[in-house]
Amino acid sequence: NAGVTQTPKFQVLKTGQSMTLQCAQDMNHNSMYWYRQDPGMGLRLIYYSASEGTTDKGEVPNGYNVSRLNKREFSLRLESAAPSQTSVYFCASSPRDYSYEQYFGPGTRLTVT
Amino acid sequence: DQQVKQNSPSLSVQEGRISILNCDYTNSMFDYFLWYKKYPAEGPTFLISISSIKDKNEDGRFTVFLNKSAKHLSLHIVPSQPGDSAVYFCAARFDGNNRLAFGKGNQVVVIP
Repeated sequence: NAGVTQTPKFQVLKTGQSMTLQCAQDMNHNSMYWYRQDPGMGLRLIYYSASEGTTDKGEVPNGYNVSRLNKREFSLRLESAAPSQTSVYFCASSPRDYSYEQYFGPGTRLTVT
Repeated sequence: DQQVKQNSPSLSVQEGRISILNCDYTNSMFDYFLWYKKYPAEGPTFLISISSIKDKNEDGRFTVFLNKSAKHLSLHIVPSQPGDSAVYFCAARFDGNNRLAFGKGNQVVVIP
């Protein structure tokens, strides 16, 4: 049982390049989330998926797109990376109903030059 | 505007003493409050939570207190251990989709 896994662990992009961050969970959770963590800013929600087939914007969605590929996988795409998207990205999952706890992956450290 | 606020970004405490972390919130619709612990290069891990209808929850060395009238909660760690050195995030749930609002975090350093 690996929990929440994220790939890659590190990535360096040039401005304007695109990439997809992958996230998978093996806990049969309904809900999945993407956060970014910046120094002094805490964790901010980018997008979330309450259940398979649905996605919604969070607090800071601009410049990102998401895909809930199936119940296990939730990917985050940067179409045209900008230096302001340099951050650590965390994926999380939650059982949803009657549960409030979220389980986090180890993070992807992204640098955009 | 930040709905969950953690001031005093860092705290140093001697091993064996009490660590107290504070958190204030603005949204009276939050129904659960959580504390997460984060080590460097790892994802946050759930530590303890409290329902908005309670005023105290205890789990081993960790106790969370909630004062709804003041919109304030605190995390007490007694006794503090070197392994408690980490960043602690306060979070609050604001809807049935389990969306959480996080504070900026507090760095705790426990000195052996």
